[in-house]
This record gives sequence, C-alpha cells and structure tokens, in this order.
Amino acid sequence: QKEVEQDPGPLSVPEGAIVSLNCTYSNSAFQYFMWYRQYSRKGPELLMYTYSSGNKEDGRFTAQVDKSSKYISLFIRDSQPSDSATYLCTNGGYQKVTFGTGTKLQVIP
Amino acid sequence: GAGVSQTPSNKVTEKGKYVELRCDPISGHTALYWYRQSLGQGPEFLIYFQGTGAADDSGLPNDRFFAVRPEGSVSTLKIQRTERGDSAVYLCASSSARGTETQYFGPGTRLLVL
Repeated sequence: QKEVEQDPGPLSVPEGAIVSLNCTYSNSAFQYFMWYRQYSRKGPELLMYTYSSGNKEDGRFTAQVDKSSKYISLFIRDSQPSDSATYLCTNGGYQKVTFGTGTKLQVIP
Repeated sequence: GAGVSQTPSNKVTEKGKYVELRCDPISGHTALYWYRQSLGQGPEFLIYFQGTGAADDSGLPNDRFFAVRPEGSVSTLKIQRTERGDSAVYLCASSSARGTETQYFGPGTRLLVL
C-alpha cells in the first residue's frame, strides 16, 4: 500500500462546477500536506499547502485536512477550463515526499 | 531564467546505452531532488541532495542509477545499461531548504528507451 493514495480519475465537470479532489494517507507521522497542479508536459507547481487539520482557503481553492481519518481534500469553486490539469497530493515536511497518483481534471466550457 | 531548467527535454536511446540527464536548479537553492514519473502516475522520489552531498538516495531503484552534484548547483542523473522500463519523465526540483520550503520543478526530461 502506498503511503499516499489518490483516485486517478479522470474527472470531467462543466465550467462553474465545484470540484472535490481527495487523497488518503497511512503514515501518522505526516503533518504537512501539499497540493500540486501539473499541466500536460509541464512539471508540477505548488498550489496549496496545509500544516494542520482544518481548512485553508486561497481564492477559489480550499484545502482541507482531517487527521483523524487521514483524509486530504482540495475543493475548487467556480471551476474554469484553465483548471484542467492533473492534481497531485503529497506529504511534505522532513519526511520523504510521497506523491499520490494524481487526479486528471477536465473542466468543460 | 529564474526557474529550474532540465536538458535535454527529450532523449531517445537504445536499450543498453548510457544516458546523462542534467538539472540546473534555481540559483541559491541548496536542496535538489530527482523524481521519476511514469505515465498516469505521480512523481516517484529518487534522490535528494543538500549541497554537494546526497542526503537521501533511498529512491534510486538499483545500482544502474547514479546522481552527482559536484559543486552544489548543477546536478546530473546518470543511468547505465538502460532498460525499456527506464522510460519515463525524469523531473528535477529545487528548494531553498528541505522541509516546509516549496519545491520548484523543472519541465522534465522525457526518456524513451527503445
């Protein structure tokens, strides 16, 4: 079992929809989590990071961590075609970084 | 150029050949990482450098893979006796320090072993 698991999708939504992307993790030592966005044929770029349980909001994006259930979520409000990409969750901090498989999102105009 | 650069962008080689992949990190970044990304998968950690030394090479799959960073800046990932299973995108990232600092990724080198 990988330490970070993610549904690979693909996920297809109409423009303006709310998108929910989810990951689970198994290592209780993980305290720091990040979401990366990766466009086709590009390297990943950091979208958001969280250090504790609860929500963190940045514009249309909200990252949520539930440490009791080891569940990580990324919500995208008012999704745009430019949000079409692969979204990767990962642990961060001083442990070795483990990426999920990535969820491919397509937002249809 | 403020970002991480990687060369070549694409590399096609034959099974059994030797390849070198280069990474130029962001100037001043002491931490450098190599990852391998197969189609439909997330990046898989290979090795981490802090300065010139390999602080964690636990992700290297076998002894055909080796990486160096002799002056604490540019890094080269070397693959000997390439196999078809080595075909993947090799990503390099750098950060100002390990830990909570953001990793900045390069565009990757697409390696195809025929």
